[in-house]
Amino acid sequence: EVQLLESGGGFVQPGGSLRLSCAASGFSFSNYAMNWVRQAPGKGLEWVSGISGSAGYTDYVDSVKGRFTVSRDNSKNQLYLQMNSLRAEDTAIYFCAKVRQMATLLAANDFWGQGTQVIVSS
Amino acid sequence: DIVMTQSPDSLAVSLGERATINCKSRQSVLYSYNNKYNLAWYQHKPGQPPKLLIYWASTRESGVPDRFSGSGSGTDFTLTISNVQAEDVAVYYCHQYYARPFTFGPGTKVEIK
Repeated sequence: EVQLLESGGGFVQPGGSLRLSCAASGFSFSNYAMNWVRQAPGKGLEWVSGISGSAGYTDYVDSVKGRFTVSRDNSKNQLYLQMNSLRAEDTAIYFCAKVRQMATLLAANDFWGQGTQVIVSS
Repeated sequence: DIVMTQSPDSLAVSLGERATINCKSRQSVLYSYNNKYNLAWYQHKPGQPPKLLIYWASTRESGVPDRFSGSGSGTDFTLTISNVQAEDVAVYYCHQYYARPFTFGPGTKVEIK
């Protein structure tokens, strides 16, 4: 059974940092690209970042480029999102999601974690 | 960026009736490698993660009831929920995974009349 479990969310002041983690199990983690998707309060879904299975390719939405860094440790089946210089507009529930096809980033997300809440406020 | 729009913003449907949600992409999301549309539909209920319903515009994900169907071509796509059930109350999003940044539609809220 595929399971994704996020952690690391919390309350942080503007300008601060957080590191989100996503523990994956139930599938061959290194074979699948992963995404981070967020939902701000009262808003829709927004793709934040993606990373290939080998970690050789990463990408970000423009609003987080230069501030967020996605990474993964395939030996530990862990996905990470390092978030620096946080802003109030980064307040959201952050979901990690697995793509449904091996060896491509261009696939729908078939499994999602429950999400972790990030609140950026003074 | 590929902008995704959805209509309506919300709709109220009687139990057993049909719900139709439309999604439009500002540019084509047809992936020439396999001639399929990189377009997915998700169901999102409060307090839960989004659930994949449809991918490649019309392929139902395993385990999804067959009352959910996807269709469309070009830049216009539709999610149809036939015989709406109480458990279908949710927000539905279309999503293009053709080009980064991947983008979602604004969502359509489905309620029971």
